[in-house]
Amino acid sequence: SQQGEEDPQALSIQEGENATMNCSYKTSINNLQWYRQNSGRGLVHLILIRSNEREKHSGRLRVTLDTSKKSSSLLITASRAADTASYFCAARAQKLVFGQGTRLTINP
Amino acid sequence: NAGVTQTPKFRVLKTGQSMTLLCAQDMNHEYMYWYRQDPGMGLRLIHYSVGEGTTAKGEVPDGYNVSRLKKQNFLLGLESAAPSQTSVYFCASRGTPREGVLVGANVLTFGAGSRLTVL
Repeated sequence: SQQGEEDPQALSIQEGENATMNCSYKTSINNLQWYRQNSGRGLVHLILIRSNEREKHSGRLRVTLDTSKKSSSLLITASRAADTASYFCAARAQKLVFGQGTRLTINP
Repeated sequence: NAGVTQTPKFRVLKTGQSMTLLCAQDMNHEYMYWYRQDPGMGLRLIHYSVGEGTTAKGEVPDGYNVSRLKKQNFLLGLESAAPSQTSVYFCASRGTPREGVLVGANVLTFGAGSRLTVL
């Protein structure tokens, strides 16, 4: 069963705009992680937010976590063509379970 | 530092054939994982290992076997391949999380993937 459900499944925006991806999960978690996957490559870890944190920043990335709603969001500000990739959330309870991903396309 | 290396990168099999995917990591990680990725399904855990000599079933273990004879290697075997096993396979590893240790031990390092087609 999927722990993380992502929304939207696909997102296409213009370069320079902000991109927001959402993730919902089902059970209590220890942390929530976001990964990025370029086409034909493996996943790369972007950012981890612990269950007692509400917001975290890393460069142009901003992650929020709302444990009462069991949801998280990933915001990429000032998007670039190189941000084109699939983004996955992964919720860690006893195990780490991945969502289906959001395919992000940044148009030049 | 190579990280996680998977071999082979591509393989085509006929139904009923057997093969082994090799994953090697040079980070001295305790935990290793095999996932499969299918369109619209995200990543699903096949088997994992929490240390040398140990293995455990994940979400979709049927049709696969694994071995962890050496800490740095995690092998995924298909004894009798089926078309339903056509997928992209990813190996991942991580260190052992400890209280107070930085994030690094809590996240996975992935290999580049192995694309398997079963005809």
